[in-house]
Amino acid sequence: SAVISQKPSRDICQRGTSLTIQCQVDSQVTMMFWYRQQPGQSLTLIATANQGSEATYESGFVIDKFPISRPNLTFSTLTVSNMSPEDSSIYLCSVEGGTTPGTEAFFGQGTRLTVV
Amino acid sequence: AQKITQTQPGMFVQEKEAVTLDCTYDTSDPSYGLFWYKQPSSGEMIFLIYQGSYDQQNATEGRYSLNFQKARKSANLVISASQLGDSAMYFCAMREGSDYKLSFGAGTTVTVRA
Repeated sequence: SAVISQKPSRDICQRGTSLTIQCQVDSQVTMMFWYRQQPGQSLTLIATANQGSEATYESGFVIDKFPISRPNLTFSTLTVSNMSPEDSSIYLCSVEGGTTPGTEAFFGQGTRLTVV
Repeated sequence: AQKITQTQPGMFVQEKEAVTLDCTYDTSDPSYGLFWYKQPSSGEMIFLIYQGSYDQQNATEGRYSLNFQKARKSANLVISASQLGDSAMYFCAMREGSDYKLSFGAGTTVTVRA
């Protein structure tokens, strides 16, 4: 199984500022996924981060607001830009795993973001 | 259309009893996978169990079992012998085809009573 280290674990930020969240995996993975969980809600995929190419964003999410970097096969960052209180959420990174591809998906501990 | 539907917002269960969490899904892809996760109040996502669309048998992992009814497109999670530590939010999720991204249901909050 993959071990994912995500940081920061939580932060309180002023509106209009940006926060970069880091995700480090203990093994090389092709794809990394970034999810958002708004308060009391389910998880929604923001984007898929592929090493060596642009991230693929889901409907409703744009690169200017959520720029993603993927410099190598074990690391990715998600930036939440020009934050507003509506961005207050838990942000989670995830990787596919399992001895058989696609049979497990592992998550980082999450970043609990509060925008004031 | 919703890909994953969890119709039970919250459930109460007595300690040591079993509880079934409902999950129905919608996909036209013959190859898919179904996942269940537990999310305690700390926010981490804990992988519980996986069922592949071609798996002949229902998946089991310790006290967790998945009641997979393919024709009805349902994948209910059964937690046996509930413990106080089982109190959490539970999410059903699906991946389709060779795509590894997950679609999640709305979740079910389980509260175990002593």
